[in-house]
Amino acid sequence: GDSVTQMEGPVTLSEEAFLTINCTYTATGYPSLFWYVQYPGEGLQLLLKATKADDKGSNKGFEATYRKETTSFHLEKGSVQVSDSAVYFCALVYGGATNKLIFGTGTLLAVQP
Amino acid sequence: GAGVSQSPRYKVAKRGQDVALRCDPISGHVSLFWYQQALGQGPEFLTYFQNEAQLDKSGLPSDRFFAERPEGSVSTLKIQRTQQEDSAVYLCASSSTPAASTDTQYFGPGTRLTVL
Repeated sequence: GDSVTQMEGPVTLSEEAFLTINCTYTATGYPSLFWYVQYPGEGLQLLLKATKADDKGSNKGFEATYRKETTSFHLEKGSVQVSDSAVYFCALVYGGATNKLIFGTGTLLAVQP
Repeated sequence: GAGVSQSPRYKVAKRGQDVALRCDPISGHVSLFWYQQALGQGPEFLTYFQNEAQLDKSGLPSDRFFAERPEGSVSTLKIQRTQQEDSAVYLCASSSTPAASTDTQYFGPGTRLTVL
Protein backbone atom coordinates (compact mmCIF):
# COMPACT_ATOMS: atom_id res chain seq x y z
CA GLY A 1 0.00 0.00 0.00
CA ASP A 2 0.88 3.65 -0.10
CA SER A 3 3.36 4.80 2.53
CA VAL A 4 5.72 7.58 3.57
CA THR A 5 9.15 7.07 5.10
CA GLN A 6 10.94 9.84 6.97
CA MET A 7 14.37 9.97 8.50
CA GLU A 8 14.29 9.18 12.16
CA GLY A 9 14.98 11.82 14.72
CA PRO A 10 15.69 13.56 16.81
CA VAL A 11 17.68 15.93 14.65
CA THR A 12 19.69 18.35 16.76
CA LEU A 13 21.19 21.42 15.12
CA SER A 14 22.78 24.67 16.16
CA GLU A 15 21.08 27.90 15.19
CA GLU A 16 21.84 29.00 11.60
CA ALA A 17 22.76 25.46 10.53
CA PHE A 18 21.45 23.92 7.29
CA LEU A 19 18.55 21.52 7.65
CA THR A 20 17.57 18.52 5.57
CA ILE A 21 14.83 16.09 6.58
CA ASN A 22 14.53 13.22 4.14
CA CYS A 23 11.17 11.93 2.98
CA THR A 24 10.45 9.23 0.42
CA TYR A 25 7.14 7.78 -0.58
CA THR A 26 5.65 4.67 -2.13
CA ALA A 27 2.50 5.20 -4.14
CA THR A 28 0.71 4.22 -7.28
CA GLY A 29 0.03 7.17 -9.50
CA TYR A 30 0.90 10.76 -8.66
CA PRO A 31 -0.14 11.92 -5.23
CA SER A 32 0.07 15.41 -3.80
CA LEU A 33 2.80 15.81 -1.18
CA PHE A 34 2.75 17.84 2.01
CA TRP A 35 4.89 18.82 4.95
CA TYR A 36 3.04 19.51 8.18
CA VAL A 37 4.63 20.90 11.35
CA GLN A 38 3.59 20.43 14.96
CA TYR A 39 5.02 23.01 17.35
CA PRO A 40 5.10 22.14 21.06
CA GLY A 41 1.62 22.29 22.52
CA GLU A 42 -0.01 23.15 19.21
CA GLY A 43 -1.93 21.36 16.48
CA LEU A 44 -0.69 20.28 13.07
CA GLN A 45 -0.15 23.11 10.62
CA LEU A 46 0.50 22.93 6.92
CA LEU A 47 4.04 24.06 6.19
CA LEU A 48 4.15 23.59 2.41
CA LYS A 49 2.86 21.40 -0.39
CA ALA A 50 3.48 20.34 -3.97
CA THR A 51 0.84 18.86 -6.20
CA LYS A 52 2.77 17.63 -9.24
CA ALA A 53 6.22 16.47 -10.26
CA ASP A 54 9.00 19.09 -10.18
CA ASP A 55 6.84 21.50 -8.20
CA LYS A 56 8.64 23.27 -5.38
CA GLY A 57 6.73 24.15 -2.25
CA SER A 58 8.10 26.90 -0.02
CA ASN A 59 7.13 28.74 3.15
CA LYS A 60 8.93 30.47 6.03
CA GLY A 61 12.31 29.74 4.44
CA PHE A 62 11.57 26.01 4.09
CA GLU A 63 11.55 24.35 0.67
CA ALA A 64 10.79 20.92 -0.75
CA THR A 65 10.77 19.71 -4.35
CA TYR A 66 8.53 16.92 -5.64
CA ARG A 67 10.92 14.45 -7.29
CA LYS A 68 9.05 11.74 -9.16
CA GLU A 69 12.23 10.00 -10.32
CA THR A 70 13.44 9.38 -6.79
CA THR A 71 9.95 9.41 -5.16
CA SER A 72 11.22 11.97 -2.69
CA PHE A 73 10.11 15.22 -1.08
CA HIS A 74 12.99 16.27 1.16
CA LEU A 75 12.53 19.29 3.40
CA GLU A 76 15.33 21.89 3.50
CA LYS A 77 16.06 25.19 5.18
CA GLY A 78 19.22 27.18 4.80
CA SER A 79 19.45 28.62 8.30
CA VAL A 80 17.36 27.23 11.14
CA GLN A 81 16.23 29.18 14.18
CA VAL A 82 15.38 28.07 17.69
CA SER A 83 11.74 28.78 16.86
CA ASP A 84 11.85 26.04 14.19
CA SER A 85 12.05 23.40 16.91
CA ALA A 86 9.06 21.15 16.28
CA VAL A 87 7.99 17.79 14.87
CA TYR A 88 7.83 17.68 11.08
CA PHE A 89 5.55 15.25 9.22
CA CYS A 90 5.75 14.33 5.57
CA ALA A 91 2.45 13.18 4.04
CA LEU A 92 0.82 12.23 0.77
CA VAL A 93 -2.75 12.30 -0.44
CA TYR A 94 -4.75 11.07 -3.34
CA GLY A 95 -7.96 12.55 -4.52
CA GLY A 96 -10.86 10.32 -5.39
CA ALA A 97 -13.51 9.46 -2.88
CA THR A 98 -11.63 10.14 0.31
CA ASN A 99 -8.58 12.39 0.02
CA LYS A 100 -7.12 10.98 3.23
CA LEU A 101 -3.62 11.96 4.29
CA ILE A 102 -1.01 9.24 4.78
CA PHE A 103 1.67 10.44 7.18
CA GLY A 104 5.21 9.47 7.97
CA THR A 105 6.18 8.89 11.58
CA GLY A 106 7.47 12.43 12.09
CA THR A 107 10.92 13.87 12.72
CA LEU A 108 11.68 15.85 15.85
CA LEU A 109 13.91 18.86 15.21
CA ALA A 110 15.65 20.52 18.13
CA VAL A 111 17.55 23.73 17.41
CA GLN A 112 19.97 24.93 20.06
CA PRO A 113 21.04 28.56 20.45
CA GLY B 1 -11.46 33.42 11.20
CA ALA B 2 -11.94 30.59 13.65
CA GLY B 3 -10.08 27.40 13.01
CA VAL B 4 -11.04 23.83 13.78
CA SER B 5 -11.90 23.33 17.42
CA GLN B 6 -12.14 20.13 19.41
CA SER B 7 -13.46 19.32 22.83
CA PRO B 8 -12.59 18.19 25.34
CA ARG B 9 -8.86 18.78 24.98
CA TYR B 10 -8.13 16.05 27.49
CA LYS B 11 -10.20 13.07 28.51
CA VAL B 12 -9.42 10.39 31.06
CA ALA B 13 -11.65 7.34 30.98
CA LYS B 14 -11.74 4.13 32.92
CA ARG B 15 -11.54 1.01 30.82
CA GLY B 16 -15.01 0.05 29.68
CA GLN B 17 -16.45 3.56 29.71
CA ASP B 18 -17.92 5.21 26.64
CA VAL B 19 -16.50 8.53 25.44
CA ALA B 20 -17.62 11.16 22.95
CA LEU B 21 -15.22 13.54 21.25
CA ARG B 22 -16.47 16.64 19.47
CA CYS B 23 -15.15 18.46 16.42
CA ASP B 24 -16.25 21.87 15.14
CA PRO B 25 -14.82 22.31 11.64
CA ILE B 26 -14.18 25.58 9.90
CA SER B 27 -17.53 27.05 8.90
CA GLY B 28 -18.58 26.01 5.42
CA HIS B 29 -16.02 23.26 5.05
CA VAL B 30 -17.47 20.31 3.18
CA SER B 31 -14.94 17.65 4.10
CA LEU B 32 -14.23 16.42 7.62
CA PHE B 33 -11.66 13.83 8.68
CA TRP B 34 -10.81 12.04 11.90
CA TYR B 35 -7.31 10.75 12.57
CA GLN B 36 -5.75 8.86 15.47
CA GLN B 37 -2.22 9.70 16.57
CA ALA B 38 -0.45 7.28 18.89
CA LEU B 39 2.49 8.53 20.93
CA GLY B 40 5.53 9.08 18.76
CA GLN B 41 3.71 8.21 15.55
CA GLY B 42 2.16 10.04 12.66
CA PRO B 43 -1.61 10.46 12.49
CA GLU B 44 -3.57 7.59 10.97
CA PHE B 45 -6.82 8.00 9.11
CA LEU B 46 -10.02 6.86 10.78
CA THR B 47 -12.98 8.16 8.79
CA TYR B 48 -14.13 10.78 6.29
CA PHE B 49 -17.34 12.79 5.86
CA GLN B 50 -18.48 14.80 2.88
CA ASN B 51 -21.17 17.02 4.36
CA GLU B 52 -23.31 14.60 6.39
CA ALA B 53 -22.40 11.50 4.40
CA GLN B 54 -19.77 9.18 5.83
CA LEU B 55 -18.01 8.11 2.65
CA ASP B 56 -15.11 6.20 4.16
CA LYS B 57 -14.83 4.48 7.51
CA SER B 58 -12.13 2.05 6.53
CA GLY B 59 -9.73 3.26 9.22
CA LEU B 60 -11.99 2.71 12.21
CA PRO B 61 -10.15 0.03 14.22
CA SER B 62 -13.22 -1.80 15.53
CA ASP B 63 -16.98 -1.64 15.75
CA ARG B 64 -16.56 0.12 19.09
CA PHE B 65 -15.72 3.26 17.11
CA PHE B 66 -18.57 5.26 15.63
CA ALA B 67 -18.62 8.72 14.05
CA GLU B 68 -21.41 10.96 12.91
CA ARG B 69 -21.98 14.37 11.36
CA PRO B 70 -25.76 14.61 11.21
CA GLU B 71 -26.12 18.18 9.93
CA GLY B 72 -22.96 18.39 7.90
CA SER B 73 -21.10 20.60 10.35
CA VAL B 74 -20.20 19.42 13.88
CA SER B 75 -18.97 15.85 14.14
CA THR B 76 -18.75 13.45 17.07
CA LEU B 77 -16.44 10.47 17.39
CA LYS B 78 -17.75 7.96 19.90
CA ILE B 79 -15.78 5.11 21.40
CA GLN B 80 -17.69 2.47 23.28
CA ARG B 81 -16.25 0.25 25.99
CA THR B 82 -12.85 1.96 25.84
CA GLN B 83 -9.71 -0.15 26.02
CA GLN B 84 -6.19 0.86 26.95
CA GLU B 85 -5.08 0.59 23.34
CA ASP B 86 -7.52 3.39 22.50
CA SER B 87 -5.26 5.85 24.34
CA ALA B 88 -4.09 8.35 21.74
CA VAL B 89 -4.62 11.85 20.45
CA TYR B 90 -7.68 12.11 18.22
CA LEU B 91 -7.36 14.75 15.54
CA CYS B 92 -10.08 16.32 13.46
CA ALA B 93 -9.39 18.10 10.18
CA SER B 94 -11.55 19.90 7.65
CA SER B 95 -11.12 21.11 4.10
CA SER B 96 -13.19 23.36 1.95
CA THR B 97 -13.99 21.11 -1.00
CA PRO B 98 -14.93 17.48 -1.49
CA ALA B 99 -12.02 15.15 -2.02
CA ALA B 100 -9.51 17.23 -3.94
CA SER B 101 -5.96 15.96 -3.59
CA THR B 102 -4.57 19.48 -3.74
CA ASP B 103 -6.67 20.73 -0.85
CA THR B 104 -5.19 21.72 2.46
CA GLN B 105 -6.60 19.97 5.50
CA TYR B 106 -6.81 22.21 8.57
CA PHE B 107 -6.32 20.43 11.85
CA GLY B 108 -7.74 21.02 15.27
CA PRO B 109 -5.64 20.85 18.44
CA GLY B 110 -6.74 17.30 19.16
CA THR B 111 -8.26 15.46 22.09
CA ARG B 112 -5.82 13.46 24.19
CA LEU B 113 -7.61 10.35 25.43
CA THR B 114 -6.10 8.34 28.25
CA VAL B 115 -7.76 5.06 29.18
CA LEU B 116 -6.82 3.73 32.60
